Amino acid sequence: LAKTTQPISMDSYEGQEVNITCSHNNIATNDYITWYQQFPSQGPRFIIQGYKTKVTNEVASLFIPADRKSSTLSLPRVSLSDTAVYYCLVADGAAGNKLTFGGGTRVLVKP
Amino acid sequence: GAVVSQHPSWVICKSGTSVKIECRSLDFQATTMFWYRQFPKQSLMLMATSNEGSKATYEQGVEKDKFLINHASLTLSTLTVTSAHPEDSSFYICSVSDRVGYTFGSGTRLTVV
Repeated sequence: LAKTTQPISMDSYEGQEVNITCSHNNIATNDYITWYQQFPSQGPRFIIQGYKTKVTNEVASLFIPADRKSSTLSLPRVSLSDTAVYYCLVADGAAGNKLTFGGGTRVLVKP
Repeated sequence: GAVVSQHPSWVICKSGTSVKIECRSLDFQATTMFWYRQFPKQSLMLMATSNEGSKATYEQGVEKDKFLINHASLTLSTLTVTSAHPEDSSFYICSVSDRVGYTFGSGTRLTVV
């Protein structure tokens, strides 16, 4: 399983863009990169998933360089409710394969 | 992804008693579910992989006789914490491996007093 490394914490202000970079040097060919968001006392919630280049949905963008050894989650114009822990995970997505969490990044959005 | 329901959301029990936590996949037949434990300010730690119709696979260091997992149907996996002690107090989260990836339950806060 590819190991992921993220910053432990990041502070931001309302309305700013937040970019969280995750390194995964040992990513395998079949691995996808998935980001989850977790609020206190709740289960993780899917944000976005990608394999290469750029993926965008209604809440975030995911940038993946050609070598796929890192990825950057971009949260545009954050609000106070985006304060949470964000996890980057790498897995091949095959049904039944276990998902192992790294440390995550604690994002604090200030008014 | 699948719709996952976890119950109860919180439970308080006395030391020495057993507690059962249920994880239901409401709209997806899940052959595989996962159980995680999360201590305050820490990441999720995988405890075991629950396989429908067969024995669960436990991660290293997780006592299978203490954390009993039953996955008797494609929609239900249960985790029973037996002879609970205060150090078992934690946040327990289940996950379903579905057609688009992984969907997590809302978690169960267990407090052993």
